[in-house]
Amino acid sequence: DVKVTQSSRYLVKRTGEKVFLECVQDMDHENMFWYRQDPGLGLRLIYFSYDVKMKEKGDIPEGYSVSREKKERFSLILESASTNQTSMYLCASSNRGSYYGYTFGSGTRLTVV
Amino acid sequence: QKEVEQNSGPLSVPEGAIASLNCTYSDRVSQSFFWYRQYSGKSPELIMSIYSNGDKEDGRFTAQLNKASQYVSLLIRDSQPSDSATYLCAVKKLTGGGNKLTFGTGTQLKVEL
Repeated sequence: DVKVTQSSRYLVKRTGEKVFLECVQDMDHENMFWYRQDPGLGLRLIYFSYDVKMKEKGDIPEGYSVSREKKERFSLILESASTNQTSMYLCASSNRGSYYGYTFGSGTRLTVV
Repeated sequence: QKEVEQNSGPLSVPEGAIASLNCTYSDRVSQSFFWYRQYSGKSPELIMSIYSNGDKEDGRFTAQLNKASQYVSLLIRDSQPSDSATYLCAVKKLTGGGNKLTFGTGTQLKVEL
């Protein structure tokens, strides 16, 4: 089975800190994605990547950046954490092509205080 | 109009009954359709995918797709308390957006003893 591993399950950071969320997948998937999930708002796409060193903005990229230096690793960076970035962050990966769904990591619950 | 719409629920069904979860989508170029199950505090898990009009069965789950009506549904037969979760409908377009999934906000299912 595909495994998508997120480095932290729970994280508490202070306002203004730079925060790194790491995601690693072990099945050679081309595509990787970062979502946040908030009650009543569903899953919202932050950034995605179709290839190494390639990134594209999703629906809510403001305040975030990403890095994909290796195919298996996709990092989400909160440049200066704010309380409105308190959320569940989900990483996902998939094969290229329209018939593949995503496999999600277990999520990181980030609290910014 | 949202791209993917689901009734938020909760949908309550008695144990052993058929649960019917519905989803509509707005973009006719949508090609692939997926159902995810998400338990509280956990990440989404892919349970069904469907690409062609008609029914697709997998164990107690049946996905139904009607592209003319832009409607996809998930039936769960012999519902069990362990089926209590939020079910997310997701849609993928072949053109533009690459391989991005667009998610509905989910329907909460409660299976009562």
